[in-house]
Amino acid sequence: DQQVKQNSPSLSVQEGRISILNCDYTNSMFDYFLWYKKYPAEGPTFLISISSIKDKNEDGRFTVFLNKSAKHLSLHIVPSQPGDSAVYFCAASTGANNLFFGTGTRLTVIP
Amino acid sequence: DAGITQSPRHKVTETGTPVTLRCHQTENHRYMYWYRQDPGHGLRLIHYSYGVKDTDKGEVSDGYSVSRSKTEDFLLTLESATSSQTSVYFCAISISGTGVYNEQFFGPGTRLTVL
Repeated sequence: DQQVKQNSPSLSVQEGRISILNCDYTNSMFDYFLWYKKYPAEGPTFLISISSIKDKNEDGRFTVFLNKSAKHLSLHIVPSQPGDSAVYFCAASTGANNLFFGTGTRLTVIP
Repeated sequence: DAGITQSPRHKVTETGTPVTLRCHQTENHRYMYWYRQDPGHGLRLIHYSYGVKDTDKGEVSDGYSVSRSKTEDFLLTLESATSSQTSVYFCAISISGTGVYNEQFFGPGTRLTVL
């Protein structure tokens, strides 16, 4: 059973606009959340993370929001750039050395 | 770049044959991980290691074994490969030594096809 879900397999956004990628989770024991970005034929690369004691974390163009009551997190990219086109995975952890990943959302930024 | 290499990068093998994938790191990080990536499943943890000779099972460990005799090498073995093990395999390390609360860095992946 998938504990971390990304219900949108793909998203297309115009360059310069905001990209919003969503992620839902079912396990209330998750206390740390991460976003990874993956280009074809490469390994995932870490993007940004957030602890459950926070509801927002920002790093440049990337902001992650966490809504614990809804068991939902989102990644905002502003402004979106063509180089952001990739597959984005959210991941969650209980701190037990096991990251649970979502199925990924393919973002396409149209120039 | 966390200095992670994987070998081979591509492999085609037949059902029933043994296969070993190697992950090598150059920076003596304690925690190492093996994941597989499949459509519709994202990445799933197979096994991980928290030190030389110290390993534990992940979410999808059946049919896989691992070994870590040196800090820098983490081997994943499929004793008798099956078609369901066709996948892309990623090795990862955790750079701070405190496990999964810190981001993991991934290798480039090994694409394995079992015919």
